[in-house]
Amino acid sequence: RKEVEQDPGPFNVPEGATVAFNCTYSNSASQSFFWYRQDCRKEPKLLMSVYSSGNEDGRFTAQLNRASQYISLLIRDSKLSDSATYLCVVTYNTNAGKSTFGDGTTLTVKP
Amino acid sequence: DAMVIQNPRYQVTQFGKPVTLSCSQTLNHNVMYWYQQKSSQAPKLLFHYYDKDFNNEADTPDNFQSRRPNTSFCFLDIRSPGLGDAAMYLCATSRDLSSDRREQYFGPGTRLTVT
Repeated sequence: RKEVEQDPGPFNVPEGATVAFNCTYSNSASQSFFWYRQDCRKEPKLLMSVYSSGNEDGRFTAQLNRASQYISLLIRDSKLSDSATYLCVVTYNTNAGKSTFGDGTTLTVKP
Repeated sequence: DAMVIQNPRYQVTQFGKPVTLSCSQTLNHNVMYWYQQKSSQAPKLLFHYYDKDFNNEADTPDNFQSRRPNTSFCFLDIRSPGLGDAAMYLCATSRDLSSDRREQYFGPGTRLTVT
């Protein structure tokens, strides 16, 4: 079993749709959680950190459920420009500096 | 603008010919990372530096080495590239390793082709 698992998709949604991605992690010592966005043949870019209380940034909402060991990303009112791969990243306090990336979930928003 | 810079953006090398990829940062971050990413896969951490302290991942091949001569620069040396080493190599930085300072900022990557 992978340390960080994501549904690879692809998710194909129309503009304006709401879409949610989940990411599960296996190491209960996980400390920090992030969502990154990666466009085709580009570098990952930080989208959001994920806080225990949940956090929102415009159309994007991130949630953390430590008991069930998953994080989620909700995108409301999808735009064509949201089409990308979304990477879940988990870091551990038992291995200083180590971050584990999920394989990513691909989203395509269509007109 | 503060940023992470990687050179070159595209590198072609021959099988077995040593190659060096470079990364520089103007963010003054303590931590620098090197990742390997192959098509449709997650970035895979090769190693990282916390200041001058080098941390190698257990499954990183000996063929991959790194140097960090100062805070701003970090190099990835591939001593004898094989065809399987063709990939995108991503450099990233983070301010620190504490939980609230571990957001990573990536350079644009170097796409390595091995012929």
